[in-house]
Amino acid sequence: SQQGEEDPQALSIQEGENATMNCSYKTSINNLQWYRQNSGRGLVHLILIRSNEREKHSGRLRVTLDTSKKSSSLLITASRAADTASYFCATDAHTGNQFYFGTGTSLTVIP
Amino acid sequence: SQTIHQWPATLVQPVGSPLSLECTVEGTSNPNLYWYRQAAGRGLQLLFYSVGIGQISSEVPQNLSASRPQDRQFILSSKKLLLSDSGFYLCAWSWEPYNEQFFGPGTRLTVL
Repeated sequence: SQQGEEDPQALSIQEGENATMNCSYKTSINNLQWYRQNSGRGLVHLILIRSNEREKHSGRLRVTLDTSKKSSSLLITASRAADTASYFCATDAHTGNQFYFGTGTSLTVIP
Repeated sequence: SQTIHQWPATLVQPVGSPLSLECTVEGTSNPNLYWYRQAAGRGLQLLFYSVGIGQISSEVPQNLSASRPQDRQFILSSKKLLLSDSGFYLCAWSWEPYNEQFFGPGTRLTVL
């Protein structure tokens, strides 16, 4: 299936450090998105990067996309305790209306 | 502004009982609608999506079904729940395919 895979599954860092999460997928995409989920809550959209883009920034977030390697990374700079959450990448199916989410990276930022 | 509602927030049901989860969107028209299931500590599994009233696409064969009786209403149903149906059910909408999805607060279903 197209479902993405995030790496690592879990990440624990100190407040102020940077956090990097990776996502790999299998087939061609139109765009790739990153979402955040606090425990027991719905997902919140963070950033969308299109297949013809290589890098995108939003505040402390930096996303890169390498379509030749079918991979993306999410960098959170100067992390805060409030960044503690699970982070998911989502890819479309290139044709169709559905999205496929990865298994997520659980980030813990220690104050 | 747009809002998405899901209810109930939590539900405990016995095996073999029926299920009906409702999702409604306010503040937009003709949204794309999605149902996902998330098992404990896992990623999201797309169950159904809909691009319009009465138009439902199923991603995973199972004992669940979905309906869209109105433009902004999406219902997830089952005639007989299985233990494996337990999970966190999320409804989402988007304006267009491939664009940002907006998620509801979710329904935590426990089948005993």
